[in-house]
Amino acid sequence: ETGVTQSPTHLIKTRGQQVTLRCSSQSGHNTVSWYQQALGQGPQFIFQYYREEENGRGNFPPRFSGLQFPNYSSELNVNALELDDSALYLCASSPQGGGRDTQYFGPGTRLTVL
Amino acid sequence: TQLLEQSPQFLSIQEGENLTVYCNSSSVFSSLQWYRQEPGEGPVLLVTVVTGGEVKKLKRLTFQFGDARKDSSLHITAAQPGDTGLYLCAGGTNDYKLSFGAGTTVTVRA
Repeated sequence: ETGVTQSPTHLIKTRGQQVTLRCSSQSGHNTVSWYQQALGQGPQFIFQYYREEENGRGNFPPRFSGLQFPNYSSELNVNALELDDSALYLCASSPQGGGRDTQYFGPGTRLTVL
Repeated sequence: TQLLEQSPQFLSIQEGENLTVYCNSSSVFSSLQWYRQEPGEGPVLLVTVVTGGEVKKLKRLTFQFGDARKDSSLHITAAQPGDTGLYLCAGGTNDYKLSFGAGTTVTVRA
């Protein structure tokens, strides 16, 4: 069974640019959530996708957007990057019919905005 | 602002000692999850507790969910250097969203 994978591992962008991060969910999981983890803090919920539809959103501006594909993989897009967007971006998938709220995380993408 | 408050923020102990990490909230959760995270990696799930008052034991780790489902604790017996890491608690609601605490950094010295 393949776990959650994310790409790229690291990314360096400049302020104002756009970035796309990718996530492949664990086999059998139909729900993908994205989180932002700033240095020294716990992850903050960005949004969640269930069967290709956005299923909830945290307190993030519209320049953070996402997609989920028929194979349940997902993308996180961030436009007009700001310095404060520098963080570890985590993707988590939830099992179909699995334990309530159990989420499994990928290794993350480290984004640095200069 | 973190919905869940974890304490202590940092903990440094000698190998063989016991430790307890606390996770508290004013909100009720449908589940409480504990994760351990290594630097530069994603959180790894340790346990999910869903019933108020539930106690789960995994080898040297004991997890407890409060009766009111607002708080939880993680106790490690005879800590080892391999237990070093950032311990995160996360509260789940029925819509699958997780609210995380800021984490407790545990260092076990050999």
